[in-house]
Amino acid sequence: DIQMTQSPSSLPASVGDRVIITCRASQSISKYLNWYQQKSGKAPKVLMYGASNLQSGVPSRFSGSGSGTEFSLTINSLQFEDVATYYCQQSYSYPYTFGQGTKLEIK
Amino acid sequence: EVQLVESGGGLAQPGGSLRLSCAASGFSFSSYEMNWVRQTPGKGLEWLSYISSSGRSVKYADSMQGRFTISRANAKNSLYLQMNSLTAEDTAVYYCARGKTDYGDSYYFDYWGQGTPVTVSS
Repeated sequence: DIQMTQSPSSLPASVGDRVIITCRASQSISKYLNWYQQKSGKAPKVLMYGASNLQSGVPSRFSGSGSGTEFSLTINSLQFEDVATYYCQQSYSYPYTFGQGTKLEIK
Repeated sequence: EVQLVESGGGLAQPGGSLRLSCAASGFSFSSYEMNWVRQTPGKGLEWLSYISSSGRSVKYADSMQGRFTISRANAKNSLYLQMNSLTAEDTAVYYCARGKTDYGDSYYFDYWGQGTPVTVSS
C-alpha cells in the first residue's frame, strides 16, 4: 500500500497568514493526489484534485502543487472559516490511501 | 442538488453483521461509480470499497476482503455495504462517497454523505 505522510500534524496560524501543508507519498504517484477539508462534525469536502486542479466552488486562495512524491496545499490569506482538518489522498493505485491529517487552527 | 444519505449504522455485537445503505438523489446515480470510506479517531480516513456504475466491477481494501460486500441497486438509487464478522476495530463513522475523474485525471470523491456511525461492542 502507498503510505501518505502529512506535515505538520497541527498548524496554528493567524488570519491573513499564508499556510502550507505538505504531503509525501511512499512511492511516486505522478499527479494522482487530492486534498480534502473536513470541518468539525462534517464530512470531508474535496478542495483540489489532480494535485493542482481547484474544485468548482472552492475559493481561489487555495492552491495545490507537486508531483511524484512531494505535494503541497497552500492557503493564501487564511480566513476564520478555513479552520479544519486537511487530508491528502492518493488515487494512483488501490487501495486508495489518505494522509493522517493536518489540523489547522487560528492562533 | 446532489445528496447522499447513509443509514443502517448502530450498535453491533462482535462477530455480528450490519448492512449499511446510502440513498442517492439529485444526480443520475446509475452513471457514477461509488465508494465507501470510514473514519476512526485512531486510523483516520480509510477507503474501504469501490463499485463501478453498473455494479459489475468491485474493489476492496485488503482488510475488508471477504468480510465486507459492496453492492448497488441502480433502480432504487441506492448503494449498500454488507459488513460481516464485525470486530471492535470496525467501530467508525461510515461514509458513502461519489467517485469522479476527468479525462484520466486523478480519481476523487466529489460528494460525501453525512456518515453513519457504527459501534461494535458487547
